[in-house]
Amino acid sequence: GAVVSQHPSWVICKSGTSVKIECRSLDFQATTMFWYRQFPKQSLMLMATSNEGSKATYEQGVEKDKFLINHASLTLSTLTVTSAHPEDSSFYICSAIDDRGYSPLHFGNGTRLTVT
Amino acid sequence: GDSVTQMEGPVTLSEEAFLTINCTYTATGYPSLFWYVQYPGEGLQLLLKATKADDKGSNKGFEATYRKETTSFHLEKGSVQVSDSAVYFCALEGSYIPTFGRGTSLIVHP
Repeated sequence: GAVVSQHPSWVICKSGTSVKIECRSLDFQATTMFWYRQFPKQSLMLMATSNEGSKATYEQGVEKDKFLINHASLTLSTLTVTSAHPEDSSFYICSAIDDRGYSPLHFGNGTRLTVT
Repeated sequence: GDSVTQMEGPVTLSEEAFLTINCTYTATGYPSLFWYVQYPGEGLQLLLKATKADDKGSNKGFEATYRKETTSFHLEKGSVQVSDSAVYFCALEGSYIPTFGRGTSLIVHP
């Protein structure tokens, strides 16, 4: 079946540094990918919609200069958390829409970010 | 806009008990409906889906029927196992961006 690979699965970084998270569709092309954030025991919060070849669309309240999204190819989107702070610690999940058909979404396994 | 409402958890059951997790939705048009499952520390996996009214999705003993008249898509399983412990998300895809419920945590005790 369709697979989305998210890397790294976990990362620990120091305050003030930047962290890049990759989301790859392994056996399909994805013009559109989504980035979610999930706090403990809470639902998914959509952060942004990533579109290949154009600027990402951010949800209200999400700082686009802090969470940089680059969708440079039809199989890769990256989320960079810039100048990370402890409050950015969270579980980040990407998902991708197969260009051959809209549903269902395919999810990566998530990235656990801890900022010390 | 579209919305999904799920029953709040956690739902705590003994092994072999019957499970129901309620899900209702509001949407324009005729959305597709989904249940996703998230095991601890992992991303979301598609559990089952239904694309039109009266369709029944099923997988791994779980079932859900698309009820247009009640705008519901309740998840059921006749006999839960400890390995079913996870968070379950109801979702719809009608408009461009998928809409998720808040998730319901299921805890199954031996």
